[in-house]
Amino acid sequence: AQSVTQLGSHVSVSEGALVLLRCNYSSSVPPYLFWYVQYPNQGLQLLLKYTTGATLVKGINGFEAEFKKSETSFHLTKPSAHMSDAAEYFCAVVHGSGNTGKLIFGQGTTLQVKP
Amino acid sequence: DGGITQSPKYLFRKEGQNVTLSCEQNLNHDAMYWYRQDPGQGLRLIYYSQIVNDFQKGDIAEGYSVSREKKESFPLTVTSAQKNPTAFYLCASSLNLYSNQPQHFGDGTRLSIL
Repeated sequence: AQSVTQLGSHVSVSEGALVLLRCNYSSSVPPYLFWYVQYPNQGLQLLLKYTTGATLVKGINGFEAEFKKSETSFHLTKPSAHMSDAAEYFCAVVHGSGNTGKLIFGQGTTLQVKP
Repeated sequence: DGGITQSPKYLFRKEGQNVTLSCEQNLNHDAMYWYRQDPGQGLRLIYYSQIVNDFQKGDIAEGYSVSREKKESFPLTVTSAQKNPTAFYLCASSLNLYSNQPQHFGDGTRLSIL
């Protein structure tokens, strides 16, 4: 069965510091991976996705993530945090084959950015 | 702009009452989904639909029902059988059910018990 683990339910960084949000997945087939961001009382917005091809994926708002098959990881990074990055972040995985389309979400990581 | 509209934004349910959450999309997407979000638990899939007049149970379908009479609409009914309905409900859609298509989300409905 597929699963997603986000290490750390809360992460706090200073403005301008590196952001690193960790995501590990388990999947018996090549996965498709997604990162979403959620601001308070809003829906989820797609940050980036990995399907095939280049393992370093660039997304919106300066975020990027690297797919590492050997480590079953898809960590999200941003070189310099901005106050507006404070939000909840979700990693999600889906089967890389078949017509399932069903996303499995991690439990989320709340990012706090301190001035 | 295309997107997903959920209404109402806030909803209150009395004991023994059924309530219906609306979800409309103008993205011309075939697939639609309903999720429940509880603090610290991420999102859990309630129901999903890949085409009009067809829908499938997700992981936590008990106490919920849906319909898909039109491509753009996928309402969710929270029935009185759902004993713990207080949560944030999110509707999503994607081009189709194929795995590499990202899902687009509405802004959610927060349901509380009176």
